[in-house]
Amino acid sequence: DAGVTQSPTHLIKTRGQQVTLRCSPKSGHDTVSWYQQALGQGPQFIFQYYEEEERQRGNFPDRFSGHQFPNYSSELNVNALLLGDSALYLCASRDRGNYGYTFGSGTRLTVV
Amino acid sequence: AQSVTQPDIHITVSEGASLELRCNYSYGATPYLFWYVQSPGQGLQLLLKYFSGDTLVQGIKGFEAEFKRSQSSFNLRKPSVHWSDAAEYFCAVGARNTGTASKLTFGTGTRLQVTL
Repeated sequence: DAGVTQSPTHLIKTRGQQVTLRCSPKSGHDTVSWYQQALGQGPQFIFQYYEEEERQRGNFPDRFSGHQFPNYSSELNVNALLLGDSALYLCASRDRGNYGYTFGSGTRLTVV
Repeated sequence: AQSVTQPDIHITVSEGASLELRCNYSYGATPYLFWYVQSPGQGLQLLLKYFSGDTLVQGIKGFEAEFKRSQSSFNLRKPSVHWSDAAEYFCAVGARNTGTASKLTFGTGTRLQVTL
């Protein structure tokens, strides 16, 4: 049973560019959340998607946007990249009837 | 607003010694509580979780945690540490009864170093 799958694993972008990260949730999971983890910090909640809608959002600017598809997979888009956006981006999924979250291995984004 | 404090940034223990990692949370009611472990460059693996019931929770890899409402704490323990336990440990809190909104708030983590 595959867990949460994220792609790509590593990415290098230039300031001002745009990036799209992808996440496939664990089988049977319908809710996807995204977290940003800066070096040496704990993960910070970006937003959560359920039924293709953003349900809750953390303290992140509008440059961060997302989407959930009918098959429950999700994308995280970041526009106008800043050096400070360099981080590990984690996707987590869960079954709405079960509070347990499963995390992917993350995408390491470096902005130069 | 919910928050988590992990007072110890870095802990070093000898292999075979006991371990306790501290976690204090702030939340208006009884929250959901979690401990995750993260190896370098990896994602988060769930060690254990507390939802309700018995306040002593058993997890994977021989870890346990005790929920103490009066102290707003959820400390992680292991009686005998193995060298493979060296990693970053995160405590997290989640809100109850929020419908589809159920973000996790993480602490800043405790880095565990194990000496042989």
